[in-house]
Amino acid sequence: NAGVMQNPRHLVRRRGQEARLRCSPMKGHSHVYWYRQLPEEGLKFMVYLQKENIIDESGMPKERFSAEFPKEGPSILRIQQVVRGDSAAYFCASSPPGQGGYEQYFGPGTRLTVT
Amino acid sequence: ILNVEQSPQSLHVQEGDSTNFTCSFPSSNFYALHWYRWETAKSPEALFVMTLNGDEKKKGRISATLNTKEGYSYLYIKGSQPEDSATYLCAPLTTGGFKTIFGAGTRLFVKA
Repeated sequence: NAGVMQNPRHLVRRRGQEARLRCSPMKGHSHVYWYRQLPEEGLKFMVYLQKENIIDESGMPKERFSAEFPKEGPSILRIQQVVRGDSAAYFCASSPPGQGGYEQYFGPGTRLTVT
Repeated sequence: ILNVEQSPQSLHVQEGDSTNFTCSFPSSNFYALHWYRWETAKSPEALFVMTLNGDEKKKGRISATLNTKEGYSYLYIKGSQPEDSATYLCAPLTTGGFKTIFGAGTRLFVKA
């Protein structure tokens, strides 16, 4: 059973470009969480999704950031018009169906560098 | 906003020492508490999920307790080994919510 997969592992974008980060949850998991780790900071919640639904996006910046988890395929975190401050490690995690009581399984992260 | 505090921020111990750290959180609307272990250059790995007041969980030399009434959890490591060196994160969840708020973590360094 493959773990949570994220790609790419490293992504370099110039200011103003778009970044697309992908997350494939573990088999049987229908819940996906995205987190951001800024340099020298801890993990910050961004968004929680179930298939075709955004459940809680209270941690997402109001502009330029969006997330989806379609019926088929991976979850996508999209950052439009990236700025230097978006440089961070972005982790996704998945968990089985059920409200919050299950541990989350983390992917290896995508390290985004904006030049 | 859920305020999660972990202490100490970092801890240096010798191999063989036993150690413990604290996670404090608001006790209202408590649903569950997660503990994770995060090694450098890797991704967080789940240690425990705790839900009931008085819960005690154990995995090898690591154990945890939970007090939901006063809003704290302790993580204990018995006979620390260099491979225990990592950041230990706690994350409480509240009822009706799905947002996971992580503490800043306790960074443990175990010297051989």
